[in-house]
Amino acid sequence: DTAVSQTPKYLVTQMGNDKSIKCEQNLGHDTMYWYKQDSKKFLKIMFSYNNKELIINETVPNRFSPKSPDKAHLNLHINSLELGDSAVYFCASSQDFRGDEQYFGPGTRLTVT
Amino acid sequence: GEDVEQSLFLSVREGDSSVINCTYTDSSSTYLYWYKQEPGAGLQLLTYIFSNMDMKQDQRLTVLLNKKDKHLSLRIADTQTGDSAIYFCAERLLGYSSASKIIFGSGTRLSIRP
Repeated sequence: DTAVSQTPKYLVTQMGNDKSIKCEQNLGHDTMYWYKQDSKKFLKIMFSYNNKELIINETVPNRFSPKSPDKAHLNLHINSLELGDSAVYFCASSQDFRGDEQYFGPGTRLTVT
Repeated sequence: GEDVEQSLFLSVREGDSSVINCTYTDSSSTYLYWYKQEPGAGLQLLTYIFSNMDMKQDQRLTVLLNKKDKHLSLRIADTQTGDSAIYFCAERLLGYSSASKIIFGSGTRLSIRP
């Protein structure tokens, strides 16, 4: 069983569109994260949710809106996609907000044309 | 400040030891990590060390921490072709309300030559 799963694995879309990426973890963890990895492999945290509540919100455009319907799911909705949004988006989870050990999903490669 | 630095590339011969180095800036880091990313895959937590430790060994992996110099290294003994990957150094910072975040370095691409 996959511990942290993301869908879709690949997403190609045009500028201006709205898209969503979904993440699910079956580890029973309380805390989930979204990271963005750019073309140079630089990985940066975007958001973190603990028990469905937002606890970390880095400097991310408000076109990005995370939603956590329950603690096992954290989705990322992106409005009005721009070329610069092209990246690999990783979901991760940890037992609690301290994030001692974070487990990553396989990533979603988003390409905006 | 929040900054983790690594060299971008390392090439070693199969069977030799690989040493990947990292420096970080935040002295309040509590945990320091090494993650491995194989091509097209997500990040895999390899090992981590608590900031009050100097060394941690786990099979072929040895982590050394010099807290005074804010320097972390990962040594892979008997490097194999399957070790080819990008290795990310990371530090955990406690933020407001004790929520923590992990700051990643740029990654070191390890390539193995025969």
